[in-house]
Amino acid sequence: DVKVTQSSRYLVKRTGEKVFLECVQDMDHENMFWYRQDPGLGLRLIYFSYDVKMKEKGDIPEGYSVSREKKERFSLILESASTNQTSMYLCASSLGVLPTEAFFGQGTRLTVV
Amino acid sequence: GQQVMQIPQYQHVQEGEDFTTYCNSSTTLSNIQWYKQRPGGHPVFLIQLVKSGEVKKQKRLTFQFGEAKKNSSLHITATQTTDVGTYFCAGRKTTDSWGKLQFGAGTQVVVTP
Repeated sequence: DVKVTQSSRYLVKRTGEKVFLECVQDMDHENMFWYRQDPGLGLRLIYFSYDVKMKEKGDIPEGYSVSREKKERFSLILESASTNQTSMYLCASSLGVLPTEAFFGQGTRLTVV
Repeated sequence: GQQVMQIPQYQHVQEGEDFTTYCNSSTTLSNIQWYKQRPGGHPVFLIQLVKSGEVKKQKRLTFQFGEAKKNSSLHITATQTTDVGTYFCAGRKTTDSWGKLQFGAGTQVVVTP
């Protein structure tokens, strides 16, 4: 079974803090993704990575950066957290270049106060 | 704004009834995927459609990909309480890089016994 694990289920941070969200997958998948989920907006892609040290911007990259130093780990960084970044963050991974199913982590609900 | 439109946003269904949720894009999609997210859970892959006009069935669920590859539908027959959740479609525009899967806002399904 593919497992995608996010480091925290719930997180509360203060405005202006630098926040790290970690994601680890155990199936040697090439591709990893970060989405945020907000009511009525579905899942919006923040960044994705198709290989170690390779990344591409999604639809809403502003205010975020990512790091992928090892194949199994993909980190999302909020450089200076703001209240409008309060959301559910979902990490996902998938195999290969051709479109295949994405496996999601359990999500991190981040609240910025 | 949302590039893949999904309707309806909410669907109340009596147990035993059928319903359909629709996914529409203004541009051609290379593929369409469907996911189900149970309350409190994370999205789980259901199916992928790639070919124009493709129809796939999973027990009581029927998935279609339009001839022009711009729309898709999910039809559920004889709804059961286990069908409760939010159903998302996700597609990649042929003009986008392969990793940019655009999710719809989802259809939240409530089943009344």
